[in-house]
Order: sequence, then structure tokens, then C-alpha cells
Amino acid sequence: QLQLQESGPGLVKPSETLSLTCTVSGGSITNNNYYWGWIRQPPGKGLEWIGSIHYSGNTYYDPFLKSRVTISVDTSKNMFFLKLSSVTAADTAIYFCARHGGNTPEYYFDYWGQGTLVPVS
Amino acid sequence: NFMLTQPHSVSESPGKTVTISCTRSSGSIASNYVQWYQQRPGSAPTTVIYEDNERPSGVPNRFSGSIDSSSSSASLTISGLKTEDEADYYCQSYDSSGLVFGGGTKLTVL
Repeated sequence: QLQLQESGPGLVKPSETLSLTCTVSGGSITNNNYYWGWIRQPPGKGLEWIGSIHYSGNTYYDPFLKSRVTISVDTSKNMFFLKLSSVTAADTAIYFCARHGGNTPEYYFDYWGQGTLVPVS
Repeated sequence: NFMLTQPHSVSESPGKTVTISCTRSSGSIASNYVQWYQQRPGSAPTTVIYEDNERPSGVPNRFSGSIDSSSSSASLTISGLKTEDEADYYCQSYDSSGLVFGGGTKLTVL
């Protein structure tokens, strides 16, 4: 069974860079050309897509976050990563990693991590 | 980019049927597939409908999805409501600018 697990620092200071890792287990990140994504959810609010990546390195980003976001992948470690720069309190959220169910970001998210809360303070 | 607008909340009694709408602000609702996710408190979302009207394995057939091009909207219908269906529901679609989620609808089963 595919599993995704987010990890990263428990707290980030304003103006610094938020860095998160998504570790994929139970399957290879290079299998079947899937895309892999990051989604966040501010406390008590809705879901926001941040961006998605293919193991080849091809990325898609939300237009409003694009200037601050970098998503990368390490196929040897079966991991992908999120970096969000110049954070403010508005970036406080639960951050989820997830897998798209196909070979473009248009496919729905079929597997999700449990999410990790990242406060900015 | 476009927006997806959902009602903030809906409520219905056990055993009844409820429909949650999701209206696309620009472009055709039929241009890109619509997905529906269920999120219970403290948990990650799970898919209940994908590609407008497909159910993942394990999702009961009480859940169904549809789209209406004339109103540029998608709908999630849950029949035979159970208390366990109480959750937040999010629609999601896509265009060339990327993925968009609706604001979410809180379903109360009382």
C-alpha cells in the first residue's frame, strides 16, 4: 500500500524559508509517470494547491505562489520536497503531500499524507 | 484562473438525500474533470468522486457526481445519508493555470 509522510521543522520564523519533505513508501516515485503534489490548509479554512512535480523534474505551480515556491524531487531517496520562501503568518497551515492518479496534474489526488502543521511565528 | 464556489454549509436528516453544488466562475465546467473530496476533522481528504462521476473502489454508490454545462456547475449527491457522512466536502478542477479547489461545504447530518 502506497504511503506518503510529510516531515519538516515544527516552526518557521517570518521572512525565513519553509522546507518540507515528503517520503514515499510502498511504491517507487518513478512508477507509471505519476505527478506528485503539495496542498495546504490554513487552520479552519479550505484546501489550497501549491504545486506538483513529475519525477523528471517537470513542475507546475499555483500562479499566486509561484514566485516563492520551489518543488524538487530526489528519485534515489524516493522523496520530493517543498520550499516556500519569505513566509508570513498567512503561510501558517497544515501542509499535505499527495499523489495524482495519473501522468498529468489534471488527475485527482488518490493518495495523501497525513499532513503536518507548520506555524509561522 | 477560475474560481469554484460552493455553499458554506448544508444540513439534512439521516436517510435523506443532499446535493452540494460547485459553480465554476469562468470557462466551461465540462472543459476539465471535477473531483470531490471528503475531509473529516483531523484527517486528510479522501476522494469520493473523480472525473465528474466516477467512484473510487470502496466508496459506496450512495455517492454520485454530475455536471451541468448550462449552469457551469457540478454537483455531489449523497443519498441515504448516514451520520458518518458528516464532513467537509471540496470540489476541485483544473485549467491551464493549475488546480483549483472550491471553498468547501460543511455537511451536517442531524
